[in-house]
Amino acid sequence: DGGITQSPKYLFRKEGQNVTLSCEQNLNHDAMYWYRQDPGQGLRLIYYSQIVNDFQKGDIAEGYSVSREKKESFPLTVTSAQKNPTAFYLCASKIEGGGYTFGSGTRLTVV
Amino acid sequence: KNEVEQSPQNLTAQEGEFITINCSYSVGISALHWLQQHPGGGIVSLFMLSSGKKKHGRLIATINIQEKHSSLHITASHPRDSAVYICAANQLRGSNYKLTFGKGTLLTVNP
Repeated sequence: DGGITQSPKYLFRKEGQNVTLSCEQNLNHDAMYWYRQDPGQGLRLIYYSQIVNDFQKGDIAEGYSVSREKKESFPLTVTSAQKNPTAFYLCASKIEGGGYTFGSGTRLTVV
Repeated sequence: KNEVEQSPQNLTAQEGEFITINCSYSVGISALHWLQQHPGGGIVSLFMLSSGKKKHGRLIATINIQEKHSSLHITASHPRDSAVYICAANQLRGSNYKLTFGKGTLLTVNP
């Protein structure tokens, strides 16, 4: 079955360390997105990519980086520059003119 | 101020009740999405609407473009419907369409 796989489901890191969250899709979707969810807030866009080897900053890109070397993969790195990295991170993909498909998320806790 | 407002924030119902969740948005959109998020965090897309009404099983979504308002209805509610329901507006921001999310409605259906 086609879908989006995010791994790991739970991730713990020490403050000051970079960490990379994985997002893989086998839907042949061109566009991929990373969102952050905090309690009591709507999802906010971190980065998005509409095509391989191209990506744009979303609303809260500071302290994050991404790459899009393959159509299927859009990893997100949470760097030590991100002041409040503890959050729930969701990846999504979309086909032109279609709806969004979301992953199951990664809950990152920085201690 | 969030451009997408949902109400109510929390909703508790008895099994079998008819449920309505509302969503208002402040700017023009190309489509409105209704999403369901279960306690594990993964999100499922329920509907994508640009006009009128859509029905899937016990779920009905409507949209009034002139009034910038959408509703999600659940008929004959069941405890397994308990989840967070999120509305998201596909809005033109800059040169691309992006989703702006409401904060979600936490629905609890008691047996």
